[in-house]
Amino acid sequence: QSALTQPASVSGSPGQSITISCTGTSSDVGGYNLVSWYQQHPGKAPKLMIFEDSKRPSGVSNRFSGSKSGSTASLTVSGLQAEDEADYYCCSYASTSTLIFGGGTKLTVL
Amino acid sequence: QVQLQESGPGLVKPSETLSLTCTVSGYSITSGYYWGWVRQPPGKGLEWIGSIEYSGRTYHNPSLKSRITISVDTSRNQFSLKLSFVTAADTAVYYCARNPHMWNGAQTTLYYLDYWGQGTLVTVSS
Repeated sequence: QSALTQPASVSGSPGQSITISCTGTSSDVGGYNLVSWYQQHPGKAPKLMIFEDSKRPSGVSNRFSGSKSGSTASLTVSGLQAEDEADYYCCSYASTSTLIFGGGTKLTVL
Repeated sequence: QVQLQESGPGLVKPSETLSLTCTVSGYSITSGYYWGWVRQPPGKGLEWIGSIEYSGRTYHNPSLKSRITISVDTSRNQFSLKLSFVTAADTAVYYCARNPHMWNGAQTTLYYLDYWGQGTLVTVSS
């Protein structure tokens, strides 16, 4: 069971949009509509931002959106704000009743 | 409001057993959901350890399965993690979280982790 693949870092200027990819296989990302995304600020617990590929929990800004094509899921953050600077992790259900995380992506707001 | 709080020793000696408890408030763990453990070594990413239902049914990360014991105490609204034969590589912040799921009569599908504890740092050192 290998970790899902995410870019180590992405960056963007305030107001711009960025996209973070999360690549898996047909046994995890591509096999189920069960990708979730988490935001983590330094020293804090992760926060659920997207679940079931593209659904937003109550209270999460609509600037955050999720999508998927094949075995690659994506998180898009539009209208970047300074407070969006954080680490982002994708997570997927895998076929053996397990969960698997991506390696994480550091988002820098320039 | 669902709240989770991890507790346990912050320092464990190599080869010994790490023991943590997660206390859930604002929601009964017998009312559904799985309850999970996730860890994060310093400066590294998140790793799912395992999840348990109030019935005691558990699922584990295959890479850790032989060393993990996850249990539940419904009378105290708590669930616990034991990780045996620890090494320095097990030094991490350990989080507990609520884990929605679906049971189709044959298999459990784990969904996402919606409520998290604040995390507790466990250091493995002599």
